[in-house]
Amino acid sequence: QVTLKESGPVLVKPTETLTLTCTVSGFSLSNTIVGVSWIRQPPGKALEWLAHIFSNDEKSYSTSLRSRLTISKDTSKSQVVLTMTDMDPVDTATYYCARLRWDSGDYYFDYWGQGTPVTVSS
Amino acid sequence: DIQMTQSPSSLSASVGDRVTITCRASQSISPYLNWFQQKPGKAPNLLIYAASTLQSGVPSRFSGSGSGSDFTLTINSLQPEDFATYYCQQSYNTPYTFGQGTNLEIK
Repeated sequence: QVTLKESGPVLVKPTETLTLTCTVSGFSLSNTIVGVSWIRQPPGKALEWLAHIFSNDEKSYSTSLRSRLTISKDTSKSQVVLTMTDMDPVDTATYYCARLRWDSGDYYFDYWGQGTPVTVSS
Repeated sequence: DIQMTQSPSSLSASVGDRVTITCRASQSISPYLNWFQQKPGKAPNLLIYAASTLQSGVPSRFSGSGSGSDFTLTINSLQPEDFATYYCQQSYNTPYTFGQGTNLEIK
């Protein structure tokens, strides 16, 4: 079955770089009908889409966070990695990875990881 | 970026009620509108995609409609497990933006 699992540090200091890994199973990152996004949710707030990587390695980023984000994938390891530089306490959130499926022209997030909490504090 | 605006932000209803949540995009996005349900401490769960297609395994009391820039999620005969937060999300183009959420509470 399809699963996604996020991993990374629970606590980072301000100005540090955050690196999160999404390990997927049940599908291949080279499959042309899927891609993977990172989405975050600050405590008590709404979902915020961060970045996406397509099967052909094309990438897309949040307009407001573009300068701080890098997304990449290692198909052989079934992993998608997100780095976010210059972390700030406002970046405290639960970070999710989610699979975006392409289905006859429709695009939707059909599977999500459980989320990984990240706190930014000195 | 496409802005997604949901209304209401919060809603109180009783078991058995019918409720409607609306979502408006800042431009036409039809039919690339998806709806998610999220319960506390859990990841979002896909309910509806392409504005009106029910995701496999989702109860038929959930339905979606709309076109252009205006969409609705309707829940018929609310069940106790339906009290949660609901988000709309556009997949017309990146960045894939979400609405601010609608918190559905028990009256």
